[in-house]
Amino acid sequence: AQSVAQPEDQVNVAEGNPLTVKCTYSVSGNPYLFWYVQYPNRGLQFLLKYITGDNLVKGSYGFEAEFNKSQTSFHLKKPSALVSDSALYFCAVRDPTGAGSYQLTFGKGTKLSVIP
Amino acid sequence: ETGVTQTPRHLVMGMTNKKSLKCEQHLGHNAMYWYKQSAKKPLELMFVYNFKEQTENNSVPSRFSPECPNSSHLFLHLHTLQPEDSALYLCASSQVETGERLYEQYFGPGTRLTVT
Repeated sequence: AQSVAQPEDQVNVAEGNPLTVKCTYSVSGNPYLFWYVQYPNRGLQFLLKYITGDNLVKGSYGFEAEFNKSQTSFHLKKPSALVSDSALYFCAVRDPTGAGSYQLTFGKGTKLSVIP
Repeated sequence: ETGVTQTPRHLVMGMTNKKSLKCEQHLGHNAMYWYKQSAKKPLELMFVYNFKEQTENNSVPSRFSPECPNSSHLFLHLHTLQPEDSALYLCASSQVETGERLYEQYFGPGTRLTVT
């Protein structure tokens, strides 16, 4: 069974500072990993994904994430936070060995607040 | 958010009512999904349709009945719901995966359902 953990319910960071939102995962094979963002009263928006290749993945709005197989982590990062980055962030994993299954397993989400 | 639209955005219904949620995607995708988002819980995948055929049903109670008349439209028919069914119901779409090509999902804004 696949699972995702986002250990922090909330992350506060000052505007202009670097931000990190943590995610760890558990799958039986090599994972497919995703980050999504949800703004108030909106659906989830895709930020980036890791399938294979370079461990550092760059995505939308200046976000990036680093895949670390030994630590089973896929933390989301941004060098300089903006107030407009304040939102709910979801990490998701899929085990590609689940043939025919489209199930993404999502974490509970981390609320990011960027303080002006 | 014009890629995936959902109506209504808000719905209040009694436990004996019958209502339907509608989702429409304008992205040319062939896979559509229903998710349930409850407070403090991870997103739960409910149903998956590929090319109008249901491929996954994650042990969802029969009081939720999906319908996919074509690749662009998805419905969720509701009847005799319980108060614990109150949640945000999200629709998503994607390209159907082929081989090792994995496509991200695009989400609608959701329908906020309250069961009284």
